[in-house]
Amino acid sequence: DAGVTQSPTHLIKTRGQQVTLRCSPKSGHDTVSWYQQALGQGPQFIFQYYEEEERQRGNFPDRFSGHQFPNYSSELNVNALLLGDSALYLCASSLGTGDGYTFGSGTRLTVV
Amino acid sequence: AQSVTQLGSHVSVSEGALVLLRCNYSSSVPPYLFWYVQYPNQGLQLLLKYTTGATLVKGINGFEAEFKKSETSFHLTKPSAHMSDAAEYFCAVRVNNNDMRFGAGTRLTVKP
Repeated sequence: DAGVTQSPTHLIKTRGQQVTLRCSPKSGHDTVSWYQQALGQGPQFIFQYYEEEERQRGNFPDRFSGHQFPNYSSELNVNALLLGDSALYLCASSLGTGDGYTFGSGTRLTVV
Repeated sequence: AQSVTQLGSHVSVSEGALVLLRCNYSSSVPPYLFWYVQYPNQGLQLLLKYTTGATLVKGINGFEAEFKKSETSFHLTKPSAHMSDAAEYFCAVRVNNNDMRFGAGTRLTVKP
């Protein structure tokens, strides 16, 4: 049973560019959450998708947007990249209330 | 809104010694509580979770945690540390069907 799959694993972008990160949830999971983890910090909640809609959003600017597809996979898009967007981006999937999340290994984004 | 505070950003123990990682939460309603472990350059792995029922929860790798409502705490313990326990540990809280919020993390170092 495959867990959460994220692609790519590493990415280098130039300031001002746009980036798309992808996530396939664990089989049977229908909810996808995205987190940003800066170096030496805990994961910060970006947003959560359920039934192809953004259900909740953390304190991130509109430059951060997402999408969930009918097969429950998801994309995270970041426009107008800033140096401060450099971080590990984690995707987590879940099913139901009270369940723990299953995390992917993350995408390491470096903005230069 | 729920939140988590992890006391001590860095804990160092000797191999074979007791491990105690502290976590306090803030929530106006009964929370679901989680501990995750993160090894270098990897995603987060669920150690254990408390949802309802028994307040002493056993997890993987010999870890356990006790939910104490009166103290709003969910401290993680392990009787005897092993070198392989060296990692970053994150406490997290989830309320109702909302997103999961993480603490800043505690880095555990195990000395031989």
